[in-house]
Amino acid sequence: EAQVTQNPRYLITVTGKKLTVTCSQNMNHEYMSWYRQDPGLGLRQIYYSMNVEVTDKGDVPEGYKVSRKEKRNFPLILESPSPNQTSLYFCASSSTGNGYTFGSGTRLTVV
Amino acid sequence: AQSVTQLDSQVPVFEEAPVELRCNYSSSVSVYLFWYVQYPNQGLQLLLKYLSGSTLVKGINGFEAEFNKSQTSFHLRKPSVHISDTAEYFCAVSTTNAGKSTFGDGTTLTVKP
Repeated sequence: EAQVTQNPRYLITVTGKKLTVTCSQNMNHEYMSWYRQDPGLGLRQIYYSMNVEVTDKGDVPEGYKVSRKEKRNFPLILESPSPNQTSLYFCASSSTGNGYTFGSGTRLTVV
Repeated sequence: AQSVTQLDSQVPVFEEAPVELRCNYSSSVSVYLFWYVQYPNQGLQLLLKYLSGSTLVKGINGFEAEFNKSQTSFHLRKPSVHISDTAEYFCAVSTTNAGKSTFGDGTTLTVKP
């Protein structure tokens, strides 16, 4: 089944404790992206990647890191999480012009 | 730079009535246009897309959208809605290399019996 898999689905952590949210796609898509969703703000793009080793900032990159060492994986790293990063996070992948396929989301709470 | 404005944050409608969800966009470069649907506690699912060609595009679940270049709009329509269409709908634009994407704030469609 074609899908984007992100883990974990739920995560509660404390301020300052580094964490990684994993994302993997099995569709051989070139493009991958991370979004955060907050009530009333829609989805905001954090980072995106056009291919292996090619990444660029989205609209809200501060406090986040990404890497694309393999085509299928695109982890999101929070080096020192803060409470304002409490949000619902989505990973997505796409091939040119086909729209994104989204993962099921990761609900992160930073206390 | 690009932006998306969804003109209605909430749209209540009765079952079997028609509905239109409005979306305007701006961009300094060529873009692709999309509508996504998000059901409660789920990820987003692609409804339809406009890349080029015919300005009327049809998607899943009976939805369609019309691209209007002069008005920079991409409104979503359905002639007769069902209770199961209750969800949040997002309009989005992507640069033609599918990298940079911008979403609207979403429109909550509530279909009442």
